[in-house]
Amino acid sequence: RKEVEQDPGPFNVPEGATVAFNCTYSNSASQSFFWYRQDCRKEPKLLMSVYSSGNEDGRFTAQLNRASQYISLLIRDSKLSDSATYLCVVGVGGRRALTFGSGTRLQVQP
Amino acid sequence: DAGVIQSPRHEVTEMGQEVTLRCKPISGHDYLFWYRQTMMRGLELLIYFNNNVPIDDSGMPEDRFSAKMPNASFSTLKIQPSEPRDSAVYFCASRIAGPYNEQFFGPGTRLTVL
Repeated sequence: RKEVEQDPGPFNVPEGATVAFNCTYSNSASQSFFWYRQDCRKEPKLLMSVYSSGNEDGRFTAQLNRASQYISLLIRDSKLSDSATYLCVVGVGGRRALTFGSGTRLQVQP
Repeated sequence: DAGVIQSPRHEVTEMGQEVTLRCKPISGHDYLFWYRQTMMRGLELLIYFNNNVPIDDSGMPEDRFSAKMPNASFSTLKIQPSEPRDSAVYFCASRIAGPYNEQFFGPGTRLTVL
């Protein structure tokens, strides 16, 4: 079983739609959680951290469920510019490296 | 801040040749990571360093791959000899210690081995 699992997609949605991505992680000792965004032929970049109480940044909302070891990302009012791959990332702490999921591809269509 | 710097941005070489990829992390970052990304396998962690010391190299595919970090501002990933299956985008990333801190990626080196 992979440490971080995501639905690879692609998710094809029209502009203005709301779309949700899910991610599960296997290590119950995980301490930190992030969503990274990767545009085609570019490097991954931090989209947002995920906090225990859930957090929002404009049209983006992230949720964490520690009991179920589940993280979600909700994008409201999708824009064409949201088209990218979204990577779920989990950190255990100590000297361990972050673990990246394989990503979920989103294509927003006009 | 210039961010993580990688060179070259593109490399085309022939099978059997030595390839050296270079990375300059963000100043003050004490962790440096090397990743490889392909369509088939996604983003794979190859090796990472903490304060210039290799911590985990279990992701290095085989003995043909080696990485060094002679000082806090420079790291290399070497492939010798290169093979066509090594074709991928190689990313370097750095961050400050602590699981809550953002990890910054370089622009990547796109390697093609013919």
